[in-house]
Amino acid sequence: QKEVEQNSGPLSVPEGAIASLNCTYSDRGSQSFFWYRQYSGKSPELIMSIYSNGDKEDGRFTAQLNKASQYVSLLIRDSQPSDSATYLCAVLPGAGSYQLTFGKGTKLSVIP
Amino acid sequence: SAVISQKPSRDICQRGTSLTIQCQVDSQVTMMFWYRQQPGQSLTLIATANQGSEATYESGFVIDKFPISRPNLTFSTLTVSNMSPEDSSIYLCSAQVSGANVLTFGAGSRLTVL
Repeated sequence: QKEVEQNSGPLSVPEGAIASLNCTYSDRGSQSFFWYRQYSGKSPELIMSIYSNGDKEDGRFTAQLNKASQYVSLLIRDSQPSDSATYLCAVLPGAGSYQLTFGKGTKLSVIP
Repeated sequence: SAVISQKPSRDICQRGTSLTIQCQVDSQVTMMFWYRQQPGQSLTLIATANQGSEATYESGFVIDKFPISRPNLTFSTLTVSNMSPEDSSIYLCSAQVSGANVLTFGAGSRLTVL
């Protein structure tokens, strides 16, 4: 059974701080990793994808991947109240599979 | 990325009835999927919608309860049959655009079964 684990939170950070969201996965053969943001009552939207070990930066967002530790994280710098949402970690298994496995999500609250 | 139109956006249904959700993508896609998101929960994959053939269902989901059609590359339907209050959920259509390794979601259909 492929599993993706996230701390459900809520994670509260003050405005302007760095929010750190963590995710672990069980399938060592997983190839692709995604972070989705979901506002309450809305559908998930993709904000970051990462495929190789190391860091990937996009604006205020940095995704970090460590395949040896089966760990992926998302850092949000200069957090804004508009970042308050649930963040879903999703993992795509190895080649030939297109079925994402989602974690339960971490609810982030950015306090003004 | 693809734009996915899903309807209805929400509905209130009576126990024992069935409802069909439609999903239209504005570009050709490789894969189409249907997910369920129960209140306060993450997304659970119901099935992969296969063009011109029977859908591939995940454990715990069966064709009699969730019949799915995909007559062409850009359109799919999910029917929730013989609904009970436990089927109250958000149902999400998703698609992977040809040549891209990302999954895009429709806005979802929020069903409430009384």
